[in-house]
Amino acid sequence: DAEITQSPRHKITETGRQVTLACHQTWNHNNMFWYRQDLGHGLRLIHYSYGVQDTNKGEVSDGYSVSRSNTEDLPLTLESAASSQTSVYFCASSDGQGGETQYFGPGTRLLVL
Amino acid sequence: ILNVEQSPQSLHVQEGDSTNFTCSFPSSNFYALHWYRWETAKSPEALFVMTLNGDEKKKGRISATLNTKEGYSYLYIKGSQPEDSATYLCASLNDYKLSFGAGTTVTVRA
Repeated sequence: DAEITQSPRHKITETGRQVTLACHQTWNHNNMFWYRQDLGHGLRLIHYSYGVQDTNKGEVSDGYSVSRSNTEDLPLTLESAASSQTSVYFCASSDGQGGETQYFGPGTRLLVL
Repeated sequence: ILNVEQSPQSLHVQEGDSTNFTCSFPSSNFYALHWYRWETAKSPEALFVMTLNGDEKKKGRISATLNTKEGYSYLYIKGSQPEDSATYLCASLNDYKLSFGAGTTVTVRA
């Protein structure tokens, strides 16, 4: 069965360190998204991609970067982790022009000390 | 940043009772309205995607309506059961950007 996975599921790091969160989908979807979930904010879009070599900034992109070298993966990098980036991160993918249902990964819980 | 609002933030329902809650979204450059169901410690799961004014969708005891002219959608739960306890997220697609509301958390008491 097709799926979307994230790794690691839990991560503790220190401020200033570079951290990369992996997202892998086997749906063969063109579109992939990264969100962070914080109390009172729901899901906020960090970055998204509509295809290989395409990346776009979301509403909370500062301090994050992504790259899309193939269809299946969209790794999210925190260039220099800050305590404000402690959050739960969800990756999602969808097909079509971007308006279709998104399928979410299980989430990565990140703690920056 | 789009202003997608959900109300109420939380509600408690007695088992067997019906309930509904609201998602309001910008009506300009609107393409689609999504509803997701999000159980604790799990990932959001899609319930409905609606695009046309007047759309109604139904999945079991859960249904949704869409008014794109005034920018709101209702989600209804008929005969609530404990397994309906979850946070229900709506998301509005405007200008090909999807923005989520903060969710309505539903707790069904047995």
